[in-house]
Amino acid sequence: AQTVTQSQPEMSVQEAETVTLSCTYDTSENNYYLFWYKQPPSRQMILVIRQEAYKQQNATENRFSVNFQKAAKSFSLKISDSQLGDTAMYFCAFMPNNNNDMRFGAGTRLTVKP
Amino acid sequence: DVKVTQSSRYLVKRTGEKVFLECVQDMDHENMFWYRQDPGLGLRLIYFSYDVKMKEKGDIPEGYSVSREKKERFSLILESASTNQTSMYLCASKTGLGSYSNQPQHFGDGTRLSIL
Repeated sequence: AQTVTQSQPEMSVQEAETVTLSCTYDTSENNYYLFWYKQPPSRQMILVIRQEAYKQQNATENRFSVNFQKAAKSFSLKISDSQLGDTAMYFCAFMPNNNNDMRFGAGTRLTVKP
Repeated sequence: DVKVTQSSRYLVKRTGEKVFLECVQDMDHENMFWYRQDPGLGLRLIYFSYDVKMKEKGDIPEGYSVSREKKERFSLILESASTNQTSMYLCASKTGLGSYSNQPQHFGDGTRLSIL
């Protein structure tokens, strides 16, 4: 079974600085997808960024980028120029290519300080 | 934009009651999911459905059942609520498999359920 590990329960960063959230996963699959979701205090979970395992290029969405290391089974999220609105729980998720079984990590609570 | 609507933001029930949590999506998605979210555990899948009247057990189905009579609606049922079912419940939907398998799930706002 696939597992997803987020080793940082809580993190904080000063506004305008850069922070990296870590995520590792365990799988025997070769084709899969990885996601970072954000859950602000208002609670709706929204997608931040996604990565296909067959793509070597790291995904980027504005201030959010990932460092995908397939051999190491690592998928970290970098937030540049942190903003107060980035304060949220962040969940890393893994989904195999052949089914809908999405696995989530325990989450990292990020606080951006003014 | 995809809209996933959960009927209640907060719900308080008593042990032994039968509890219904409702979820509706407006994007004609084939797949719908129910998760519970607990601190330190992330999201754990209770049940999912890939079509009307179809359902599959997730990791923690015990004490729960589901119903999908219409494509847009997926209900979670606590047959006899217990205090250990106090949690945040999240509903999600996504489009089908095949070429769309990399599509993300879209979530509702969640229902915080307290069982007294």
